[in-house]
Amino acid sequence: DAGVIQSPRHEVTEMGQEVTLRCKPISGHNSLFWYRQTMMRGLELLIYFNNNVPIDDSGMPEDRFSAKMPNASFSTLKIQPSEPRDSAVYFCASSNLAVLNEQFFGPGTRLTVL
Amino acid sequence: KNEVEQSPQNLTAQEGEFITINCSYSVGISALHWLQQHPGGGIVSLFMLSSGKKKHGRLIATINIQEKHSSLHITASHPRDSAVYICAVSPIQGAQKLVFGQGTRLTINP
Repeated sequence: DAGVIQSPRHEVTEMGQEVTLRCKPISGHNSLFWYRQTMMRGLELLIYFNNNVPIDDSGMPEDRFSAKMPNASFSTLKIQPSEPRDSAVYFCASSNLAVLNEQFFGPGTRLTVL
Repeated sequence: KNEVEQSPQNLTAQEGEFITINCSYSVGISALHWLQQHPGGGIVSLFMLSSGKKKHGRLIATINIQEKHSSLHITASHPRDSAVYICAVSPIQGAQKLVFGQGTRLTINP
């Protein structure tokens, strides 16, 4: 199994630009999570999906952030417009609802907004 | 006060030493997780436990539900154990949402 796949691995962009992060969960997993990690705040849950349906987006910081899961094998996290304070590592993780919340993390996308 | 507190925040030890990292939490949980994050950034799940003790190789995780406390032990530590170790809990209310500690940065010197 390839594990959780994220792209790009690194993204450098300028303030105001749109950023799209992508995630492919492990095949057969039916839950998907987006996290953000910063030095100041550590790991934080942004949003998670069960069976492609958003369940809790209370961690999404602002309306500039949006996430979609059009099918079981793909999800995107979009930031529009991006700001320097969005610079962080964004992790995607997936799990099987039948197994009590053991999550498998992707390698992360390191985002730098100049 | 954070719902999940880890100690110490930083730990430096010599190769071969016995290592203990502690995690305390303030909410009712359905499970507690120990994660490892290497300098390259990837996060790996080490343990998920809801009671007692689990052991994988040189790593041992224990949990005391009554005291709301967990420990991660590393026996015969090695420089390759150098990483950030993160404690996370699955609250009873909203069990899928992991709540994370701030992590413990462990450095093992040869």
